[in-house]
Amino acid sequence: AQRVTQPEKLLSVFKGAPVELKCNYSYSGSPELFWYVQYSRQRLQLLLRHISRESIKGFTADLNKGETSFHLKKPFAQEEDSAMYYCAPRPAAAGNKLTFGGGTRVLVKP
Amino acid sequence: EAGVTQFPSHSVIEKGQTVTLRCDPISGHDNLYWYRRVMGKEIKFLLHFVKESKQDESGMPNNRFLAERTGGTYSTLKVQPAELEDSGVYFCASSQGRQHTLPAEKLFFGSGTQLSVL
Repeated sequence: AQRVTQPEKLLSVFKGAPVELKCNYSYSGSPELFWYVQYSRQRLQLLLRHISRESIKGFTADLNKGETSFHLKKPFAQEEDSAMYYCAPRPAAAGNKLTFGGGTRVLVKP
Repeated sequence: EAGVTQFPSHSVIEKGQTVTLRCDPISGHDNLYWYRRVMGKEIKFLLHFVKESKQDESGMPNNRFLAERTGGTYSTLKVQPAELEDSGVYFCASSQGRQHTLPAEKLFFGSGTQLSVL
Protein backbone atom coordinates (compact mmCIF):
# COMPACT_ATOMS: atom_id res chain seq x y z
CA ALA A 1 0.00 0.00 0.00
CA GLN A 2 1.16 3.52 -0.70
CA ARG A 3 1.83 5.41 2.45
CA VAL A 4 4.00 8.03 4.09
CA THR A 5 5.19 7.82 7.66
CA GLN A 6 6.50 10.48 9.98
CA PRO A 7 7.45 8.48 13.06
CA GLU A 8 7.94 11.41 15.42
CA LYS A 9 4.82 13.25 16.56
CA LEU A 10 6.84 15.75 18.57
CA LEU A 11 10.44 16.90 18.44
CA SER A 12 11.65 19.21 21.17
CA VAL A 13 15.10 20.74 20.80
CA PHE A 14 17.01 23.67 22.18
CA LYS A 15 17.85 26.69 20.08
CA GLY A 16 21.06 26.12 18.18
CA ALA A 17 20.78 22.34 18.27
CA PRO A 18 20.39 20.26 15.12
CA VAL A 19 16.97 18.96 14.22
CA GLU A 20 16.03 16.11 11.91
CA LEU A 21 12.50 15.18 10.96
CA LYS A 22 12.10 11.71 9.55
CA CYS A 23 9.91 10.80 6.62
CA ASN A 24 9.61 7.38 5.05
CA TYR A 25 7.42 6.56 2.10
CA SER A 26 6.34 3.52 0.20
CA TYR A 27 5.30 4.41 -3.32
CA SER A 28 5.90 2.68 -6.59
CA GLY A 29 7.72 4.56 -9.28
CA SER A 30 9.43 7.84 -8.53
CA PRO A 31 7.22 10.14 -6.51
CA GLU A 32 8.03 13.77 -6.06
CA LEU A 33 8.51 14.77 -2.47
CA PHE A 34 7.66 17.94 -0.60
CA TRP A 35 7.83 19.30 2.89
CA TYR A 36 5.02 21.61 3.96
CA VAL A 37 5.01 23.66 7.16
CA GLN A 38 2.32 25.30 9.23
CA TYR A 39 3.44 27.95 11.69
CA SER A 40 1.16 28.96 14.53
CA ARG A 41 -1.91 30.82 13.25
CA GLN A 42 -0.64 30.67 9.68
CA ARG A 43 -1.58 28.69 6.62
CA LEU A 44 -0.05 25.49 5.45
CA GLN A 45 2.72 26.44 3.05
CA LEU A 46 5.38 24.82 0.96
CA LEU A 47 8.78 24.66 2.61
CA LEU A 48 10.79 22.84 0.01
CA ARG A 49 10.62 20.23 -2.73
CA HIS A 50 13.20 17.59 -3.54
CA ILE A 51 13.27 18.34 -7.23
CA SER A 52 14.68 21.80 -6.57
CA ARG A 53 17.48 20.58 -4.31
CA GLU A 54 17.14 23.84 -2.44
CA SER A 55 17.80 25.03 1.07
CA ILE A 56 15.00 27.08 2.57
CA LYS A 57 15.34 28.81 5.94
CA GLY A 58 18.37 26.64 6.56
CA PHE A 59 16.46 23.42 6.00
CA THR A 60 17.55 20.75 3.53
CA ALA A 61 16.02 17.42 2.66
CA ASP A 62 17.78 14.54 1.00
CA LEU A 63 15.91 12.02 -1.04
CA ASN A 64 17.26 8.54 -0.41
CA LYS A 65 15.63 6.24 -2.92
CA GLY A 66 17.31 3.17 -1.48
CA GLU A 67 15.86 3.77 1.94
CA THR A 68 12.74 5.50 0.54
CA SER A 69 13.28 8.38 2.92
CA PHE A 70 13.13 12.15 2.66
CA HIS A 71 14.32 13.41 6.01
CA LEU A 72 14.30 17.13 6.75
CA LYS A 73 17.30 18.60 8.51
CA LYS A 74 18.55 21.85 9.92
CA PRO A 75 21.93 22.11 11.66
CA PHE A 76 21.02 24.96 14.01
CA ALA A 77 17.35 25.24 14.98
CA GLN A 78 15.85 28.65 15.74
CA GLU A 79 12.82 29.49 17.86
CA GLU A 80 10.93 30.62 14.77
CA ASP A 81 11.24 27.09 13.39
CA SER A 82 8.66 25.92 15.89
CA ALA A 83 5.80 24.65 13.74
CA MET A 84 4.03 21.61 12.36
CA TYR A 85 5.88 19.94 9.50
CA TYR A 86 4.32 17.59 6.96
CA CYS A 87 6.08 15.31 4.53
CA ALA A 88 4.05 15.03 1.34
CA PRO A 89 4.82 12.67 -1.52
CA ARG A 90 3.18 13.15 -4.85
CA PRO A 91 2.90 9.94 -6.84
CA ALA A 92 4.02 10.17 -10.43
CA ALA A 93 1.34 11.44 -12.81
CA ALA A 94 -1.05 12.13 -9.95
CA GLY A 95 -1.60 15.77 -10.62
CA ASN A 96 -1.09 17.67 -7.40
CA LYS A 97 -2.78 14.98 -5.37
CA LEU A 98 -0.48 15.15 -2.41
CA THR A 99 -0.55 12.59 0.36
CA PHE A 100 0.42 14.03 3.70
CA GLY A 101 2.16 12.32 6.55
CA GLY A 102 0.76 12.62 10.03
CA GLY A 103 2.97 15.59 10.77
CA THR A 104 5.73 16.31 13.25
CA ARG A 105 5.43 19.13 15.71
CA VAL A 106 8.75 20.86 16.30
CA LEU A 107 9.26 22.88 19.43
CA VAL A 108 12.44 24.89 19.68
CA LYS A 109 13.14 25.99 23.21
CA PRO A 110 15.22 29.07 24.04
CA GLU B 1 -2.25 39.44 -4.17
CA ALA B 2 -5.10 37.90 -2.23
CA GLY B 3 -4.50 34.36 -1.13
CA VAL B 4 -6.89 31.45 -1.01
CA THR B 5 -9.82 32.38 1.19
CA GLN B 6 -12.18 30.04 2.96
CA PHE B 7 -15.48 30.76 4.62
CA PRO B 8 -16.53 30.27 7.32
CA SER B 9 -13.45 29.88 9.48
CA HIS B 10 -15.46 27.93 12.04
CA SER B 11 -18.78 26.15 11.88
CA VAL B 12 -20.58 24.35 14.65
CA ILE B 13 -23.63 22.33 13.64
CA GLU B 14 -25.71 19.50 14.97
CA LYS B 15 -25.69 16.03 13.55
CA GLY B 16 -28.11 15.77 10.66
CA GLN B 17 -27.82 19.38 9.62
CA THR B 18 -26.34 20.69 6.40
CA VAL B 19 -23.22 22.79 6.10
CA THR B 20 -21.71 24.45 3.07
CA LEU B 21 -18.08 25.46 2.98
CA ARG B 22 -16.77 27.93 0.46
CA CYS B 23 -13.36 28.37 -1.09
CA ASP B 24 -12.17 31.24 -3.26
CA PRO B 25 -8.93 30.30 -4.98
CA ILE B 26 -6.28 32.71 -6.12
CA SER B 27 -7.52 34.51 -9.21
CA GLY B 28 -6.41 32.77 -12.36
CA HIS B 29 -5.70 29.44 -10.70
CA ASP B 30 -7.30 26.63 -12.66
CA ASN B 31 -6.64 23.92 -10.11
CA LEU B 32 -8.59 23.76 -6.89
CA TYR B 33 -8.25 21.07 -4.25
CA TRP B 34 -10.12 20.12 -1.11
CA TYR B 35 -8.38 18.35 1.75
CA ARG B 36 -9.44 17.61 5.29
CA ARG B 37 -7.82 16.70 8.56
CA VAL B 38 -9.99 14.71 10.88
CA MET B 39 -9.03 14.92 14.54
CA GLY B 40 -5.83 13.05 15.25
CA LYS B 41 -5.46 11.82 11.72
CA GLU B 42 -3.61 12.77 8.57
CA ILE B 43 -4.50 15.44 6.07
CA LYS B 44 -6.44 13.58 3.41
CA PHE B 45 -7.14 14.50 -0.19
CA LEU B 46 -10.82 14.86 -1.06
CA LEU B 47 -11.02 16.07 -4.64
CA HIS B 48 -9.47 18.13 -7.39
CA PHE B 49 -11.08 20.52 -9.85
CA VAL B 50 -9.55 21.76 -13.05
CA LYS B 51 -11.60 24.82 -13.79
CA GLU B 52 -15.19 23.65 -13.37
CA SER B 53 -14.51 19.96 -14.03
CA LYS B 54 -13.90 17.35 -11.36
CA GLN B 55 -10.53 15.87 -12.25
CA ASP B 56 -10.29 13.46 -9.34
CA GLU B 57 -12.87 12.87 -6.62
CA SER B 58 -11.45 9.62 -5.35
CA GLY B 59 -11.00 11.00 -1.85
CA MET B 60 -14.62 11.94 -1.25
CA PRO B 61 -15.69 9.77 1.68
CA ASN B 62 -19.31 9.14 0.71
CA ASN B 63 -22.29 10.62 -1.09
CA ARG B 64 -23.08 12.96 1.77
CA PHE B 65 -20.35 15.18 0.39
CA LEU B 66 -20.98 17.27 -2.71
CA ALA B 67 -18.46 19.66 -4.23
CA GLU B 68 -19.13 22.13 -6.97
CA ARG B 69 -17.20 24.75 -8.83
CA THR B 70 -19.64 26.44 -11.12
CA GLY B 71 -17.97 28.75 -13.61
CA GLY B 72 -14.56 27.59 -12.58
CA THR B 73 -14.09 30.23 -9.91
CA TYR B 74 -15.04 29.61 -6.31
CA SER B 75 -15.95 26.18 -5.00
CA THR B 76 -18.39 24.93 -2.42
CA LEU B 77 -18.30 21.73 -0.41
CA LYS B 78 -21.62 20.71 1.06
CA VAL B 79 -22.07 18.07 3.69
CA GLN B 80 -25.64 16.80 3.97
CA PRO B 81 -26.52 15.39 6.42
CA ALA B 82 -23.51 15.97 8.62
CA GLU B 83 -22.31 13.20 10.90
CA LEU B 84 -20.10 13.31 13.98
CA GLU B 85 -17.14 11.82 12.12
CA ASP B 86 -17.19 14.71 9.66
CA SER B 87 -15.71 17.00 12.29
CA GLY B 88 -12.28 18.31 11.38
CA VAL B 89 -10.49 21.00 9.45
CA TYR B 90 -11.29 21.36 5.77
CA PHE B 91 -8.58 22.90 3.67
CA CYS B 92 -8.78 24.32 0.21
CA ALA B 93 -5.76 24.83 -2.00
CA SER B 94 -5.20 26.16 -5.48
CA SER B 95 -2.46 26.11 -8.08
CA GLN B 96 -2.04 27.81 -11.37
CA GLY B 97 -0.84 25.18 -13.82
CA ARG B 98 -2.80 24.63 -16.94
CA GLN B 99 -1.32 21.16 -17.11
CA HIS B 100 -1.66 19.61 -13.71
CA THR B 101 0.79 16.86 -14.45
CA LEU B 102 3.70 19.26 -14.50
CA PRO B 103 6.13 18.43 -11.74
CA ALA B 104 6.53 20.17 -8.44
CA GLU B 105 3.76 22.74 -8.76
CA LYS B 106 3.30 24.76 -5.61
CA LEU B 107 -0.04 24.59 -3.81
CA PHE B 108 -1.40 27.66 -2.02
CA PHE B 109 -3.56 26.77 0.93
CA GLY B 110 -6.39 28.59 2.60
CA SER B 111 -6.63 28.96 6.36
CA GLY B 112 -9.13 26.14 6.59
CA THR B 113 -12.63 25.75 8.00
CA GLN B 114 -12.93 24.12 11.40
CA LEU B 115 -16.11 22.04 11.32
CA SER B 116 -17.57 20.72 14.54
CA VAL B 117 -20.54 18.38 14.35
CA LEU B 118 -22.22 17.89 17.71
